[in-house]
Amino acid sequence: DAGVIQSPRHEVTEMGQEVTLRCKPISGHDYLFWYRQTMMRGLELLIYFNNNVPIDDSGMPEDRFSAKMPNASFSTLKIQPSEPRDSAVYFCASSLERSGHGELFFGEGSRLTVL
Amino acid sequence: GEDVEQSLFLSVREGDSSVINCTYTDSSSTYLYWYKQEPGAGLQLLTYIFSNMDMKQDQRLTVLLNKKDKHLSLRIADTQTGDSAIYFCAGAAMNRDDKIIFGKGTRLHILP
Repeated sequence: DAGVIQSPRHEVTEMGQEVTLRCKPISGHDYLFWYRQTMMRGLELLIYFNNNVPIDDSGMPEDRFSAKMPNASFSTLKIQPSEPRDSAVYFCASSLERSGHGELFFGEGSRLTVL
Repeated sequence: GEDVEQSLFLSVREGDSSVINCTYTDSSSTYLYWYKQEPGAGLQLLTYIFSNMDMKQDQRLTVLLNKKDKHLSLRIADTQTGDSAIYFCAGAAMNRDDKIIFGKGTRLHILP
């Protein structure tokens, strides 16, 4: 398997624009997670899905953020409108259902810069 | 909720041992993990330990868990330049639906 695939790897946009980040989890993994990484706050869990259903979105910072998982092989994280403080690296990760050691498999991340 | 704390930086000479420390607050944590992040990449699981263990060894890596003090450490023997990365401590607890909470990461810098 190719691992968790994220796109784009880098995105530079202007304040107010809509940003869509994409993720393809590892085939067969039932859990999908979106994380945000910044120097100040470290790695924050934004939302996670189980079998395509959002389970916990308590980490989503504001209504400007939304995430969907229309099928088992695709998820999006959308920011509309974007703001400079949204600049961060966004990671998608997937895992098997209740795997014994809870290993998360991370994508390479999408680095977002909002000017 | 769970809080995981670790120092932000560590410098070690090549060939020496590195010890990265972590403290956590949730005593019900069932799994504790160490993840490694190399530059420009996502995190990768290095090793993990169950809460009913106090030590785990895997080649150059030794994990020590002190449940009483809620303290976890990762020792890397014979540190190499390839060990230069950010190391994240993380914990999961069944009462949090196994949600994994990460520390902010310790950046390990290798001195020649």
